[in-house]
Amino acid sequence: ELKVEQNPLFLSMQEGKNYTIYCNYSTTSDRLYWYRQDPGKSLESLFVLLSNGAVKQEGRLMASLDTKARLSTLHITAAVHDLSATYFCAVDIRNQFYFGTGTSLTVIP
Amino acid sequence: ETGVTQSPTHLIKTRGQQVTLRCSSQSGHNTVSWYQQALGQGPQFIFQYYREEENGRGNFPPRFSGLQFPNYSSELNVNALELDDSALYLCASSPGSGQPQHFGDGTRLSIL
Repeated sequence: ELKVEQNPLFLSMQEGKNYTIYCNYSTTSDRLYWYRQDPGKSLESLFVLLSNGAVKQEGRLMASLDTKARLSTLHITAAVHDLSATYFCAVDIRNQFYFGTGTSLTVIP
Repeated sequence: ETGVTQSPTHLIKTRGQQVTLRCSSQSGHNTVSWYQQALGQGPQFIFQYYREEENGRGNFPPRFSGLQFPNYSSELNVNALELDDSALYLCASSPGSGQPQHFGDGTRLSIL
């Protein structure tokens, strides 16, 4: 059974601090996506990682993929309040997306 | 603007009833997937359609069924509704392999 696990599940951090969210998955895949979901809203695509060693950066967020370790990370640099949301990773198996448990991030002023 | 629209936005049904949810994908997106998202959880894959054929299915019973039409619209049908079917149902489309899926705003289904 495919498992996609994220940790932490809940993250409260102060503005200006750095932190990393981890996404582990249990089957072979070289395609991984990160999404953001605000309360009551749909999912917004953040990053597409399509190969081992892929690294993508957008603003204060940077995502990486290690397919051998079956691990992706989402690094937050100098957090700001606007980053408060739930973040999901999703593993692409034959174009079918399997989502992680989600990490609820709260950035405290 | 996502380009993927779903209807209705909210729906209330009772146990045993049937429901049809609708999705209009972005033009040119020939793959559509449906997800169930319970409160506080990640989306769970229900099934995917590619060029009007079911192209994969998650761990959902046969009372969850779907259709995809040539005009990029699709439906999710659920028969014999159960209380546990209460959730946000999300439709997502993509233009092809290796592309992110674009999600609609979802339909919030409540079963009484």
